[in-house]
Amino acid sequence: DQQVKQNSPSLSVQEGRISILNCDYTNSMFDYFLWYKKYPAEGPTFLISISSIKDKNEDGRFTVFLNKSAKHLSLHIVPSQPGDSAVYFCAATNFGNEKLTFGTGTRLTIIP
Amino acid sequence: DAGVIQSPRHEVTEMGQEVTLRCKPISGHNSLFWYRQTMMRGLELLIYFNNNVPIDDSGMPEDRFSAKMPNASFSTLKIQPSEPRDSAVYFCASRNRDRGPHEQFFGPGTRLTVL
Repeated sequence: DQQVKQNSPSLSVQEGRISILNCDYTNSMFDYFLWYKKYPAEGPTFLISISSIKDKNEDGRFTVFLNKSAKHLSLHIVPSQPGDSAVYFCAATNFGNEKLTFGTGTRLTIIP
Repeated sequence: DAGVIQSPRHEVTEMGQEVTLRCKPISGHNSLFWYRQTMMRGLELLIYFNNNVPIDDSGMPEDRFSAKMPNASFSTLKIQPSEPRDSAVYFCASRNRDRGPHEQFFGPGTRLTVL
């Protein structure tokens, strides 16, 4: 049973446009969420996170939005650049827990 | 600063053989995690250690899988005997539990192919 779902396996976006990656979760105990980025033949690297006390967190071109009532979060990348082409994983946990529960990932391709 | 180191990077073996994957966490990190990545299930946590002690191994798929952490700078994941369905990329990650939220640092992974 997937508690964290990324329903779009892939996404293609024109360079310079906005990329929006979506993630849904089912466990209402989750209160901390992370996005990781993964290039081929490398391990995932941390990108940005958000606590459930917030509904938005911004870091440069990357913004994560959290809608707790819908159990939905999204990652916005503006403007998209070719180096953003990678697989993006959404992950969730709760603050007292060491474990991260990951989604299956979305492959983002930025078209020059 | 060296990141998480995993070896080997690639392993091809035959069904029934023993496979040992190795991980060196980042120095000073006190939590270590083993994950498996597949297309169908994404990144699944297999087991994690705090201060070299296994805390949760509920993700270990079967008794064929075992993991050890004999000291703070080394961990192994062993599969014996291996089966074709074990083919996946295995990641090791580490973090410092004393530094707040949950960012984990991943190694480059070991791609395992069982024929």
